[in-house]
Amino acid sequence: AQSVTQPDIHITVSEGASLELRCNYSYGATPYLFWYVQSPGQGLQLLLKYFSGDTLVQGIKGFEAEFKRSQSSFNLRKPSVHWSDAAEYFCAATSGTYKYIFGTGTRLKVLA
Amino acid sequence: NAGVTQTPKFQVLKTGQSMTLQCAQDMNHEYMSWYRQDPGMGLRLIHYSVGAGITDQGEVPNGYNVSRSTTEDFPLRLLSAAPSQTSVYFCASHSGGSNQPQHFGDGTRLSIL
Repeated sequence: AQSVTQPDIHITVSEGASLELRCNYSYGATPYLFWYVQSPGQGLQLLLKYFSGDTLVQGIKGFEAEFKRSQSSFNLRKPSVHWSDAAEYFCAATSGTYKYIFGTGTRLKVLA
Repeated sequence: NAGVTQTPKFQVLKTGQSMTLQCAQDMNHEYMSWYRQDPGMGLRLIHYSVGAGITDQGEVPNGYNVSRSTTEDFPLRLLSAAPSQTSVYFCASHSGGSNQPQHFGDGTRLSIL
């Protein structure tokens, strides 16, 4: 069955530290991959997306993600976290059937 | 540009009551979806639509009905609310092919007593 897994439910980092959020997928073929961010009381906002080509994709707010086919992973990174990055982050995938599968989310806490 | 608008933002219902959650988008997107978000479970697809007059079931459709009479609107109906339907509901839309990112509304927080 198709699935998206985010192994970390909660992550805490200090402001200014680097960040990596993990995402693994299980699909028959490489899906289209997305990262979204959700601030409290808000809907989801797209950070970045991967369709094909360059395996390192740049997104908004200084985020980037690297697609690794061999590891079925699409991890989100940021070199230096800001307090405003505290939110919940979702990885999502679709194989072209109009149905998106979301991971269970990773809640990021940023320490001042 | 309002994007995806959901109403109401909050609602409390009693078990057995019916209700319609409204969703409207002004981006002329063909594809619209309804999700529910529960703690530790991410977003689960309830129903989706690939155009006016065309809807289909998602992962958790039981207890919910949808219709799509116009491109702009995609209401979600709870016919007889149950406590298990207490959740945060998100409507999303996207354009073009299925590889396009979705645009989300701000959600409806629904409590069933």
